[in-house]
Amino acid sequence: EDQVTQSPEALRLQEGESSSLNCSYTVSGLRGLFWYRQDPGKGPEFLFTLYSAGEEKEKERLKATLTKKESFLHITAPKPEDSATYLCAVRGSTLGRLYFGRGTQLTVWP
Amino acid sequence: EPEVTQTPSHQVTQMGQEVILRCVPISNHLYFYWYRQILGQKVEFLVSFYNNEISEKSEIFDDQFSVERPDGSNFTLKIRSTKLEDSAMYFCATRDSNSPLHFGNGTRLTVT
Repeated sequence: EDQVTQSPEALRLQEGESSSLNCSYTVSGLRGLFWYRQDPGKGPEFLFTLYSAGEEKEKERLKATLTKKESFLHITAPKPEDSATYLCAVRGSTLGRLYFGRGTQLTVWP
Repeated sequence: EPEVTQTPSHQVTQMGQEVILRCVPISNHLYFYWYRQILGQKVEFLVSFYNNEISEKSEIFDDQFSVERPDGSNFTLKIRSTKLEDSAMYFCATRDSNSPLHFGNGTRLTVT
C-alpha cells in the first residue's frame, strides 16, 4: 500500500529560525506529491504540488522540493503566523485518491 | 476565491441514528471526495464521486455509508446507523481535471 511518513511530529522554532520538514513516501507510480497546511478545526489548505524528482516550488517563506523517495518543506525565517500542521500527501496509480501522512505540527514563537 | 462549503459545522447524534453531511462544491469542479480525520490521526480517504457515480471507495466506506448529488449542486454523505467510532471530522474535497484537491472546513461529527 502507498505510504507517507512525516518527520518530525512536532517542531518548535523561534521566529526567524529556518528549518525543514521531511516527507518520505512509497508509492507505485507517483502522480503528484502535495503539501497542505491545516489550522486547528479547519480543512487542509493547498500549498504545493510536485510531480517529478528535482522539481521545486516556492511561496513566500516556504519552498518544497522533491526527490524519488522524499520531499522537504523548507521554511525560511518563519513567523508566528506560520504555526500550523503541515500535511504531506501522495497520489499514486489510483486516480484521485490521496494518501496523507500524520503531519508535522509547527509552532513558531516570537 | 471560491470555496467548498460544508454544513453543519458540528453535528451531535446518538448511536444508531442516521446523519447526512452536506457539501457545496466549487462551481466548475467535477470530481468530489469525502475524507475523514479521527482526532489525532491521519486524514483518510473514504470515497470519490464523478459523473454521478462512485469511482473509488476505501475499506472504511461500507454499507452504512452512501453518497449522492441530489440536486446537481449539493454533494452529500449519509451514514445510515452511526457508531461511536464514526466520531471524526468529515471533509468534503473537490477538484476539476487539472487542479489539486480543495477541502472544505469540515463537519465535526460526535456520536454519543
